[in-house]
Amino acid sequence: QVQVVQSGTEVKMPGASVKVSCKTSGYTFTTYGISWVRQAPGQGLEWMGWISAYTGDTNLAQKIQGRVALTRDISTSTAYMELRSLRPDDTAFYYCVREAGDSTGYYFAYWGQGTLVSVSS
Amino acid sequence: QSVLTQPPSASGTPGQRVTISCSGSGSSIGSNPVNWYQQLPGAAPKLLIYTNIQRPSGVPDRFSGSKSGTSASLAISRLQSEDEADYYCAAWDDSLNGWVFGGGTKLTVL
Repeated sequence: QVQVVQSGTEVKMPGASVKVSCKTSGYTFTTYGISWVRQAPGQGLEWMGWISAYTGDTNLAQKIQGRVALTRDISTSTAYMELRSLRPDDTAFYYCVREAGDSTGYYFAYWGQGTLVSVSS
Repeated sequence: QSVLTQPPSASGTPGQRVTISCSGSGSSIGSNPVNWYQQLPGAAPKLLIYTNIQRPSGVPDRFSGSKSGTSASLAISRLQSEDEADYYCAAWDDSLNGWVFGGGTKLTVL
């Protein structure tokens, strides 16, 4: 079965960078894209961006595109999200999500368990 | 402020039917299918409804989705205590070239 397993909690100082990993299994990695979604404590969901596991092409949300990088390693079926110049309001759970769908529509089918990134001085 | 608009809260008693609305624009819901996600307390979100009306395997048929124009709705019939959760709608937005979410609706089972 499909599994999406993320790396553990990170505690960072303002201005630092963080890199979260997302290891997938149970399917052919290059067949589906991966999105990243974050959720600040007590708040709603915010889409950050998408990466094609096949080509490595990315589509990043305007709000964050200057500070985020999405990459993947086909050999280990792992996706990565790196966020730079961290600010306290970047404190959130970060979710890796495997997409599914076809020409009729796409959706976030499989969610990782979430990685808490806490930014504080 | 979220691009898609949902009521912040909804409630019902066991056995009742409740609906949660999701309002968007021509570039989001008006042009693309809507998906719904359920987030139980302390857990990651989970896919509940996709492409407007489809239920993934394992989701009870008490949950149903609909869409008309630039709005969508999630209906939960025969409400149960385990349905108490946050519910989010989502759609692709052609103008923003990205996914947008509703602000979430907290469902309370009284």
